[in-house]
Amino acid sequence: EPEVTQTPSHQVTQMGQEVILRCVPISNHLYFYWYRQILGQKVEFLVSFYNNEISEKSEIFDDQFSVERPDGSNFTLKIRSTKLEDSAMYFCASRRDRGTFYGYTFGSGTRLTVV
Amino acid sequence: QKEVEQDPGPLSVPEGAIVSLNCTYSNSAFQYFMWYRQYSRKGPELLMYTYSSGNKEDGRFTAQVDKSSKYISLFIRDSQPSDSATYLCAMMWGNEKLTFGTGTRLTIIP
Repeated sequence: EPEVTQTPSHQVTQMGQEVILRCVPISNHLYFYWYRQILGQKVEFLVSFYNNEISEKSEIFDDQFSVERPDGSNFTLKIRSTKLEDSAMYFCASRRDRGTFYGYTFGSGTRLTVV
Repeated sequence: QKEVEQDPGPLSVPEGAIVSLNCTYSNSAFQYFMWYRQYSRKGPELLMYTYSSGNKEDGRFTAQVDKSSKYISLFIRDSQPSDSATYLCAMMWGNEKLTFGTGTRLTIIP
């Protein structure tokens, strides 16, 4: 079964450092998403991306965050200057069609720890 | 009022019992209603989704949506220890982002 692949599975970084979280969505999917889950809290939407541009973002997704699809397969989330409160699980998701819900698939996540 | 509310549990039931998990919501624009299962330190895995009101059955799982009451349920029949996980309800409108509940931690006791 096709999977959304995320790397690394765990990243530890010092406060103020830049991090890039990487995702390989399912190959025929066109819509890409990042969500995050702070420990013990709900999964929260960060951003959606289609046709090489952001289609929607949450209030969490401020100027410290950016997304990119640098080639035909990868989808990245960059946090420019990490804060302690950025520590969370970050999930990438992708979807084939926008007209229906079909195929909204999540990766296993990257655990980001900011120290 | 939160957009999606879900009892966080934890909920422990004996093997073979029927499990009922529920969420309420406030945004009447929601059109798609999903249940995800999440194991520790893993991503959400889609169990079932329903468009608008009604019931949907898949094996031991039944999803119900009552839009008039803004209430959704997931029933698990003949529960198994392998069903032990956190169950997340999620909702969507506008074909974009998912809005999740907090998740209910379920343990099936052998």
